[in-house]
Parts: sequence; structure tokens; C-alpha cells
Amino acid sequence: AQRVTQPEKLLSVFKGAPVELKCNYSYSGSPELFWYVQYSRQRLQLLLRHISRESIKGFTADLNKGETSFHLKKPFAQEEDSAMYYCALRVTGFQKLVFGTGTRLLVSP
Amino acid sequence: DTAVSQTPKYLVTQMGNDKSIKCEQNLGHDTMYWYKQDSKKFLKIMFSYNNKELIINETVPNRFSPKSPDKAHLNLHINSLELGDSAVYFCASSHYSPSNTEAFFGQGTRLTVV
Repeated sequence: AQRVTQPEKLLSVFKGAPVELKCNYSYSGSPELFWYVQYSRQRLQLLLRHISRESIKGFTADLNKGETSFHLKKPFAQEEDSAMYYCALRVTGFQKLVFGTGTRLLVSP
Repeated sequence: DTAVSQTPKYLVTQMGNDKSIKCEQNLGHDTMYWYKQDSKKFLKIMFSYNNKELIINETVPNRFSPKSPDKAHLNLHINSLELGDSAVYFCASSHYSPSNTEAFFGQGTRLTVV
């Protein structure tokens, strides 16, 4: 079965500190992984996807198949990064995303 | 010019009532979804439709019945509402693609059953 695990419910850091939101997955096929973000009272939106290998808003995430991880990182957190972050796995051949339980990032001044 | 829009945004209703949530997308996508976000912020897929055909039904109670009149709309009707149905329901859409497809989400409908 497919599963996405985000072990931290809440991650609280100070502005300028590095951030790492953890994500581990369990999937027998070739994984497609995404990070979605939900700012307060806004819709869920795509932050980045592993296949693009891009940096969005200073965030990066590398797929590590050996460790089955897709951690989200940012070297210097900003207050506007405060949001709910969801790691998601796309099940190949099926049109659905399996989400982790989410991590609330709180960046304090 | 909202991409995925849901109505209503908030819905408060009594147990036992029947209610509907509407969703429309103007992105030209052929696949639409309903996700449920519970009080712990856990997000789980309920249904997926491709070209008006149901392709995913994740063991959702029969009281929930999605209807897709056309590719741009996917409505969710809920019969005999229960307290446990209280949640935020998100509609989403995407292209049907074998890989790397982005899903666009609506703003959500917060349903409160009292």
C-alpha cells in the first residue's frame, strides 16, 4: 500500500533559521513526489515536484530513493513561509495523490 | 477568473439533512477530484472522475454521491448528514496524464454538521 509519512505535526523556527520538513514514503512503484502548501485561509497549491528539480521560493527537495525520503529544505526561513505543508505521492496509473498528514511550519520574527 | 471554484465556502447544517457542494473548473482539465480534510488536517481522496466517468471511489459511504454533468463540473451530494461529516471538502482538477501532473485545488468548503 502507498503511504506518506510526515513525522512532525508542527515545526517552529525563527526567521533566518534553516528549515527541513521531513517526508518519507512507502511505495512499490516508481515514485512521483510533490510538496503542496496551504497558506492561512488559502487553497492548497503546488510548491514543487521532484521531477522538476527546481527551487521555488527558496525551497528545494531531493528525492532519495535509498532512504525513501523527499525532505523539503530552505536555508533561511521567512515569516511568510508560515503555512501547512503537505508531502504527496502520486500513484502511477491512478489519478490520485496520497497525502501525508501535513506539517505546520511556524516562522517567528 | 478563478481556476477551480467551489460553492458554498461555508455550510452549516443539522444532522440528517441533505446538502450539495458544487465545483467548477475552467482549466480545460478532464479529471476532477473530491478530497476531505478532517479536523486534524489529514487530507484524503474521496472520488475521482475522468471525462465524467468515476475512476476512483475510496470506500466512501453511500451517503456521498458525486455527480459530474460535464467535464468542467463535479458536484458532491451528501445524504443524511452525520456529525462526523464535518470537515473541509476540497475539489481539485488536473489533466489525465501518466506522470507528473499537477492538481489544482479549490478554496474548500467548510462543512459543519450540528
